[in-house]
Amino acid sequence: DTAVSQTPKYLVTQMGNDKSIKCEQNLGHDTMYWYKQDSKKFLKIMFSYNNKELIINETVPNRFSPKSPDKAHLNLHINSLELGDSAVYFCASSQGNFRGSSEKLFFGSGTQLSVL
Amino acid sequence: GQQLNQSPQSMFIQEGEDVSMNCTSSSIFNTWLWYKQDPGEGPVLLIALYKAGELTSNGRLTAQFGITRKDSFLNISASIPSDVGIYFCAGLNTNAGKSTFGDGTTLTVKP
Repeated sequence: DTAVSQTPKYLVTQMGNDKSIKCEQNLGHDTMYWYKQDSKKFLKIMFSYNNKELIINETVPNRFSPKSPDKAHLNLHINSLELGDSAVYFCASSQGNFRGSSEKLFFGSGTQLSVL
Repeated sequence: GQQLNQSPQSMFIQEGEDVSMNCTSSSIFNTWLWYKQDPGEGPVLLIALYKAGELTSNGRLTAQFGITRKDSFLNISASIPSDVGIYFCAGLNTNAGKSTFGDGTTLTVKP
């Protein structure tokens, strides 16, 4: 039973293309996140959603648009991909709402995006 | 913004040795967490700490919440090859709604 699953695992694409990454969690959590891990392994939060509502948007370019159709899903769409977008993108979830956000993050296994 | 610095950046040790790593912040946190990331996988939570001075163990792992609330420490005793990976600390203030991650300590264990 995969708790947080994201697809695809690997994504290789050309500059300028548009691509999406999907994430689903079966833990019943209220909050979902997208994190970006760069080549130096630094993990940085991009977005968080609580029960389909955007809570955190960490000055991510407008080309990145998260969408949460329900609280178990948080997808990430990226327009006009750039070389600098190459990274590993992690979806995560946690229990609780924004004010009582649980500290315990459950991560997916990541999507390695390579922009050529 | 808040920054967490982890030390050392990388460690190469022999199987059976003990390991110590730490994490320092310019800001106070009310929760400290330690995660481990295996190659090709997402981080997995190891230990969560909620109170200044708290010492918590999980098997061979022991972590401490620093008294100043600006640092935390992780020790691994009698390391084994499967301890290889990147160890991340994370600090959280629950009203902020997000964890801030350190820059990671990469551990290599030689059999």
